[in-house]
Amino acid sequence: DTAVSQTPKYLVTQMGNDKSIKCEQNLGHDTMYWYKQDSKKFLKIMFSYNNKELIINETVPNRFSPKSPDKAHLNLHINSLELGDSAVYFCASSQGSPAGANVLTFGAGSRLTVL
Amino acid sequence: DAKTTQPPSMDCAEGRAANLPCNHSTISGNEYVYWYRQIHSQGPQYIIHGLKNNETNEMASLIITEDRKSSTLILPHATLRDTAVYYCIVRGGSSSNTGKLIFGQGTTLQVKP
Repeated sequence: DTAVSQTPKYLVTQMGNDKSIKCEQNLGHDTMYWYKQDSKKFLKIMFSYNNKELIINETVPNRFSPKSPDKAHLNLHINSLELGDSAVYFCASSQGSPAGANVLTFGAGSRLTVL
Repeated sequence: DAKTTQPPSMDCAEGRAANLPCNHSTISGNEYVYWYRQIHSQGPQYIIHGLKNNETNEMASLIITEDRKSSTLILPHATLRDTAVYYCIVRGGSSSNTGKLIFGQGTTLQVKP
């Protein structure tokens, strides 16, 4: 079983459309994340949810709206897609401890291409 | 967060040990050193982490200097499948922030036959 699974793996769409990427983890982790990797290969965090609550929001445009129906799922909905949204989006999860290390498990990525 | 500095690229012969250095001179006492790698077209993969002591697991060894200002990731017997971008990340603090990994450019390791 895949620990962190994302769908779809590839998504090609037109500017202005609305699309969603889904993420599910079966690791029993309580924290999930979305990271974005742009064309220059830089990986940046977008959001983090802990037990369905938003913890980190890294000044992402409000066209991006994460939704966490339960702690095993964190979906990313994007409204009014723009060319600059083209990237690979990675979902991740972790089981952090208050005073310890926090190891993330990443999904395989979802490549979004906006035409 | 402490900044890390890594060489942009390295080569290694297949079967040899790959030693990937990382400088983190501004690391603070509660910050861990993490190593992740990203093989082409895949998601980042956790390798190892450490606080003060050297660490070893089935993938690699992590050597942290006594002053904690630098570390070295060692892949003891590199294979072609170890060709990837290797990221050294320093992170600590409260549990709410420890998942906010800041990825730099990393070191592109090319393992050659």
